[in-house]
Amino acid sequence: AQTVTQSQPEMSVQEAETVTLSCTYDTSESDYYLFWYKQPPSRQMILVIRQEAYKQQNATENRFSVNFQKAAKSFSLKISDSQLGDAAMYFCAYRIDTGTASKLTFGTGTRLQVTL
Amino acid sequence: DTGVSQDPRHKITKRGQNVTFRCDPISEHNRLYWYRQTLGQGPEFLTYFQNEAQLEKSRLLSDRFSAERPKGSFSTLEIQRTEQGDSAMYLCASSESPRERYNEQFFGPGTRLTVL
Repeated sequence: AQTVTQSQPEMSVQEAETVTLSCTYDTSESDYYLFWYKQPPSRQMILVIRQEAYKQQNATENRFSVNFQKAAKSFSLKISDSQLGDAAMYFCAYRIDTGTASKLTFGTGTRLQVTL
Repeated sequence: DTGVSQDPRHKITKRGQNVTFRCDPISEHNRLYWYRQTLGQGPEFLTYFQNEAQLEKSRLLSDRFSAERPKGSFSTLEIQRTEQGDSAMYLCASSESPRERYNEQFFGPGTRLTVL
């Protein structure tokens, strides 16, 4: 079974600084997707960034970028120029697409605090 | 249609009662997913529909749980004889069938269930 591990329950960053959230996963598949989702307090989960395993280039979305190390099964999220609005729970997630199956497997999350 | 909606947002019930939740996906999304999120954990997959067909069910979905999507549009999740362990946030997500390799799951705000 696939598992996703986030070893940092909480992280804190000062506004305008950079923070990196860690994620490791375990799979025997070679073709899959990895995601980072953001869940603000009392608000719905939104997709931050995604990475296709077959792509060697790390994904980037504005201030958000990932460091995807396929051999190490590591997928970290870097947030640059942190803003107060970045404060949320961040979930790393994994997905394979095998015809009918496309469920997401999530980690336990990292709570990010952004301080002034 | 601005996103996935769920009703009710909060439900408090007594142990042993039945509850039903509703999810309205984004129009034209033919895939619909249910997840359960307990405190301090990431969401866990429960079940998945493509149109009206329920294609996958998790072991977490005991025989007290039943999900339907009768016309391939909205979906309901019913829990019979609720137990305190059923207390959680129930999340719904929807996506298009993949015309390309990737299809994003959009999440609703969730229904928070408290079983007393």
